[in-house]
Amino acid sequence: GAVVSQHPSRVICKSGTSVKIECRSLDFQATTMFWYRQFPKQSLMLMATSNEGSKATYEQGVEKDKFLINHASLTLSTLTVTSAHPEDSSFYICSASDVGAQPQHFGDGTRLSIL
Amino acid sequence: DQQVKQNSPSLSVQEGRISILNCDYTNSMFDYFLWYKKYPAEGPTFLISISSIKDKNEDGRFTVFLNKSAKHLSLHIVPSQPGDSAVYFCAARLNQAGTALIFGKGTTLSVSS
Repeated sequence: GAVVSQHPSRVICKSGTSVKIECRSLDFQATTMFWYRQFPKQSLMLMATSNEGSKATYEQGVEKDKFLINHASLTLSTLTVTSAHPEDSSFYICSASDVGAQPQHFGDGTRLSIL
Repeated sequence: DQQVKQNSPSLSVQEGRISILNCDYTNSMFDYFLWYKKYPAEGPTFLISISSIKDKNEDGRFTVFLNKSAKHLSLHIVPSQPGDSAVYFCAARLNQAGTALIFGKGTTLSVSS
């Protein structure tokens, strides 16, 4: 069964809307979760590393004010795409692993479509 | 600059034959390599992994080979089954616990019956 749950799986909304995506670890505590984004025919690109109880670490080129990450507990991290625009349309996916362990387990992703 | 490369975007194999998926990397600091399988509209599912101190790891029909000198790894699936049809991602991790994975672009495997 799934060990990482991601919700919602699909979002379609108007430009300017803010969208929140949740990522939960079900069977373990994850001090670190990762947020990736995948454009068509591209690899999964790391956006940010979410650390429980502290600020997220963003990859170069990812706007932290645009993609707000909150990791308030050991089992939940949220990604909020603020004032989304059509160019933010993508497949967003989170992963988590038990403390320091591999492999990382992935959620089923969120397909975000901004009209 | 891609640190993990899967140069074949697609591979077609007949049922029962061997599937070989290849992956090259550039960073010698990677210490752990993983293969994930992904179906459309789903997240990647872990398949098999290998530590940089090993050159082979086998799990049922799946075997991963690592050639550190060539910075190359491959996934062998034998015998291939139609249900193996999916996108396969190679991923690598820097030698530091808790770090994110770096993915290749993926190879779409099609197994025909």
